[in-house]
Amino acid sequence: QVQLVESGGGLVKPGGSLRLSCAASGFTFSDFDMNWIRQPPGKGLEWVSYSSPSGNIYYADSVRGRFTISRDNAKNSLYLQMNSLRVEDTAVYYCTRGWYANWGQGTLVTVSS
Amino acid sequence: DVVMTQSPLSLPVTLGQPASISCRSSQSLVHSDGSTYLHWFQQRPGQSPRRLIYKVSNRDSGVPDRFSGSGSGTDFTLKISRVEAEDVGVYYCIQGTHWPNTFGQGTKLEIK
Repeated sequence: QVQLVESGGGLVKPGGSLRLSCAASGFTFSDFDMNWIRQPPGKGLEWVSYSSPSGNIYYADSVRGRFTISRDNAKNSLYLQMNSLRVEDTAVYYCTRGWYANWGQGTLVTVSS
Repeated sequence: DVVMTQSPLSLPVTLGQPASISCRSSQSLVHSDGSTYLHWFQQRPGQSPRRLIYKVSNRDSGVPDRFSGSGSGTDFTLKISRVEAEDVGVYYCIQGTHWPNTFGQGTKLEIK
């Protein structure tokens, strides 16, 4: 069955960096669009970034220029490099497959001094 | 950006009674390919979101048939025919037609 496992979250100071990973299994990773979604504590869902098998990439305005999405099809993995982190980036980050059909358990990123 | 407006934001419902959630978009969600990329999710307390309905009215595998989706253009609805205790949580719509994809604010369903 489809499984998505996020990792790499943690506590980081404002201005710092983190790299999130999403390990995918149970499907042909290279065939699917993938997205990152985030959810600040106690708040709603926010779309962050998109990666297509053909190389199309999109970002939310709130993260463009600071975050970079990438994928390694040989490793069945999706990544999110997050630089210049801000307090408002604090959230659980989820990776999702396709039209958001499958979600991981999420990884918590906390940006605080 | 396309603004997705859900109503109500809070929905107290008696067990066994129907429930309805509206999701309106600030522009048409009909894609140039003819499809409408409007999806619905359920997030139970402490869990990751789960997709219930894709492309307006298609129920995901394993989703009870008491859940149904309808609508077109800019006006969409998620209906639960008879609410059960396990339906408690927050429901979100998302439009996948335009970039950036955008979510509604969420509707919190609780048992009265």
